[in-house]
Amino acid sequence: AQSVTQLGSHVSVSEGALVLLRCNYSSSVPPYLFWYVQYPNQGLQLLLKYTSAATLVKGINGFEAEFKKSETSFHLTKPSAHMSDAAEYFCAVSDWSNAGNMLTFGGGTRLMVKP
Amino acid sequence: NAGVTQTPKFQVLKTGQSMTLQCAQDMNHNSMYWYRQDPGMGLRLIYYSASEGTTDKGEVPNGYNVSRLNKREFSLRLESAAPSQTSVYFCASSEGTGESQPQHFGDGTRLSIL
Repeated sequence: AQSVTQLGSHVSVSEGALVLLRCNYSSSVPPYLFWYVQYPNQGLQLLLKYTSAATLVKGINGFEAEFKKSETSFHLTKPSAHMSDAAEYFCAVSDWSNAGNMLTFGGGTRLMVKP
Repeated sequence: NAGVTQTPKFQVLKTGQSMTLQCAQDMNHNSMYWYRQDPGMGLRLIYYSASEGTTDKGEVPNGYNVSRLNKREFSLRLESAAPSQTSVYFCASSEGTGESQPQHFGDGTRLSIL
């Protein structure tokens, strides 16, 4: 079974500072990986996805993530944090079965941005 | 374009009561999913429907039933609610069953069981 670990349930950065949210996965096959963002009282929105085309994936709102097979990692970064980036972020791995596509999620990281 | 719509947004139930959570998508997606979200545990899959007419158990199916009413609608039923089912429930859909297909989420139903 696939699994996802997000290091740090809470991360706090200052506005303008680098954002780094960590995600490690376990998978017996080449994975498809996703980052989602959840704003308060809303559902999850797709930030970006890795589908093996390129190891550096660019997403919306200035976020990007790098797939490192040797480290089984897919960390999310943004060069300069904005107040509007405060939200909860989820890393997920796709777990294919004969019946369909299931996502396995990490526990989430809540990003706080200080003025 | 509404995407994935869930009703109700909030609900309080007493232990033992039953309830159906409704979900509809207008993106002509084939696959639909129900998750529950609990603090520190991310989202866990309850049931999914790869296509109209099929449903399968996910990671935490006990205490729930589902119905894929048609291509647009996928409902989740709690037959006898328990306090352990207090959670935020999310419905999602994806275009197909390919593993690179992203899932699109509704805004959730916040359910409290007293």
